[in-house]
Amino acid sequence: DAGVTQSPTHLIKTRGQQVTLRCSPKSGHDTVSWYQQALGQGPQFIFQYYEEEERQRGNFPDRFSGHQFPNYSSELNVNALLLGDSALYLCASSLSLGAGGPYNEQFFGPGTRLTVL
Amino acid sequence: AQSVTQLDSQVPVFEEAPVELRCNYSSSVSVYLFWYVQYPNQGLQLLLKYLSGSTLVKGINGFEAEFNKSQTSFHLRKPSVHISDTAEYFCAVSEKGADGLTFGKGTHLIIQP
Repeated sequence: DAGVTQSPTHLIKTRGQQVTLRCSPKSGHDTVSWYQQALGQGPQFIFQYYEEEERQRGNFPDRFSGHQFPNYSSELNVNALLLGDSALYLCASSLSLGAGGPYNEQFFGPGTRLTVL
Repeated sequence: AQSVTQLDSQVPVFEEAPVELRCNYSSSVSVYLFWYVQYPNQGLQLLLKYLSGSTLVKGINGFEAEFNKSQTSFHLRKPSVHISDTAEYFCAVSEKGADGLTFGKGTHLIIQP
């Protein structure tokens, strides 16, 4: 059983460009969450997708958007890149609340390291 | 809003010695509490979680943590560390009913031979 996979592994962009990161959830999972982890910091919650809709969002600007496909895979899009967007972007998948109990563990992928020059 | 404070950015400890990594949280509602480990160039792996019930929870790799509601703490402990425990450790909280995790800044556990 493949766990959470993310692509690409590394990415280099310049300021003002747009980027798309991809995530395939663990088999059987229907919920995908995205986190940004700046160097030396803990991950910060960006948003969560369930049933192809954004269900919850952290404190990130509208430049950050996402999508979830019918097969539960997900994309994270960042527009108008800033130097401060350089970070490791983590995807986590889980079962929706209620499907497996009061809380369902989030399984994390290895991340995509984005460098903005 | 909830927040997590990990009081130590780095903790050096000798191999086979005990270790405690400290975590305090703040929230206006009940929360779930977690400890994750991140090895170099890898994603996060769940060590243990507190949802309800016994305040002492045991996790993988010999780690355990104790939830203290009055002190709003969830400290991680291991009685005897190994070189392979060298990693970054993150404490996290989630408000019940919401899945987004709020993480602390992490504690780098350094095991000295």
